Amino acid sequence: DAGVIQSPRHEVTEMGQEVTLRCKPISGHDYLFWYRQTMMRGLELLIYFNNNVPIDDSGMPEDRFSAKMPNASFSTLKIQPSEPRDSAVYFCASSQQGSGNTIYFGEGSWLTVV
Amino acid sequence: AQTVTQSQPEMSVQEAETVTLSCTYDTSENNYYLFWYKQPPSRQMILVIRQEAYKQQNATENRFSVNFQKAAKSFSLKISDSQLGDTAMYFCAFMKLPSGNTGKLIFGQGTTLQVKP
Repeated sequence: DAGVIQSPRHEVTEMGQEVTLRCKPISGHDYLFWYRQTMMRGLELLIYFNNNVPIDDSGMPEDRFSAKMPNASFSTLKIQPSEPRDSAVYFCASSQQGSGNTIYFGEGSWLTVV
Repeated sequence: AQTVTQSQPEMSVQEAETVTLSCTYDTSENNYYLFWYKQPPSRQMILVIRQEAYKQQNATENRFSVNFQKAAKSFSLKISDSQLGDTAMYFCAFMKLPSGNTGKLIFGQGTTLQVKP
């Protein structure tokens, strides 16, 4: 199994630019999660989808953040415009109902906004 | 709201020794899962072990085992025969099960474990 695939692995961008992070969940998984990890706040859930439908987006920090899942094999997290405080590692994760609720993480996208 | 607390920011252990990482959580739920994830310097989050709250038997995965005390809301991780590759940050995580479906993970602050040769 290929695992959860994220891109890019690293990105450095200037403040004000648009950033798009991409994720391909494990085939057959019906849940997809976006997490953010920072030193100050640790790991926090931003949003999660079930069967491509957003279930809980209460963790999305503000309107500059948006996430989509147009189909079962692809999701994006977009930040527009980006700010230095958005610098973090962004993880995508997926799981399959009935598989013991285990959530599998991608390798993360390390974002630096300068 | 559920919270997860890891009271040990950093720990160290000699290679081949045993170490226990602590985790407590707060919830009013009866049906939930608990997890330990490992994050090595590569930053990838790797599942170490999982425990269903309805199971009284403690979960075990090779050198990793847990001590699950439901009444005390405690979920510690024991690593036996520590290896250099166990050096990582370890996160305890809680998952409530809304109507039996998959829920979101709530993480503790993490414990950095260093295994010394």
